[in-house]
Amino acid sequence: DAGITQSPRYKITETGRQVTLMCHQTWSHSYMFWYRQDLGHGLRLIYYSAAADITDKGEVPDGYVVSRSKTENFPLTLESATRSQTSVYFCATQGRGNQPQHFGDGTRLSIL
Amino acid sequence: AQTVTQSQPEMSVQEAETVTLSCTYDTSENNYYLFWYKQPPSRQMILVIRQEAYKQQNATENRFSVNFQKAAKSFSLKISDSQLGDTAMYFCAFSESYTGTASKLTFGTGTRLQVTL
Repeated sequence: DAGITQSPRYKITETGRQVTLMCHQTWSHSYMFWYRQDLGHGLRLIYYSAAADITDKGEVPDGYVVSRSKTENFPLTLESATRSQTSVYFCATQGRGNQPQHFGDGTRLSIL
Repeated sequence: AQTVTQSQPEMSVQEAETVTLSCTYDTSENNYYLFWYKQPPSRQMILVIRQEAYKQQNATENRFSVNFQKAAKSFSLKISDSQLGDTAMYFCAFSESYTGTASKLTFGTGTRLQVTL
């Protein structure tokens, strides 16, 4: 039982292309999050979701799109990738009642 | 907006020794959570310890303990009897405490800890 599965683990693409990072959870946690990790910045919140069809912006949402049609999936899409979006992306989930967040293994995305 | 500051980019400690990682934060909230996450070279984000602001007692988890100073807005992590497996990046993080809402995390920039023989 993996809990949170992110795919792919590594991705290389070119500027201007669309790319989607997948996040799937088996815990039925209500809350899901996307963070990006960059040197000198730690992790920063991109988007989060409180339930299916409910999403909201985080600290750095520009250039990203999310959807959540099913509770277990929370894909992150870069509609037109830019080099500044080269980063490691983490998905996280959280159960109700102020539970701590659990993280996936991350996706390293390189945009050439 | 909340901020989290880790002023030690890198630290080194010998095996079996004790090391303390520093973290300060800024918030106007009275109730919140503080966390330490460990990120080994495998890139996983592993929760080490969590502290609730309204609890005066410092949290402990085996060899890991915190020194939580609410008035000073300080939250340091002490690792006792350091082991080679403790080599990792350590992130301090903050979240507000609101029941029924997503606990958005604000992270510091991390401290890279190297445990040596």
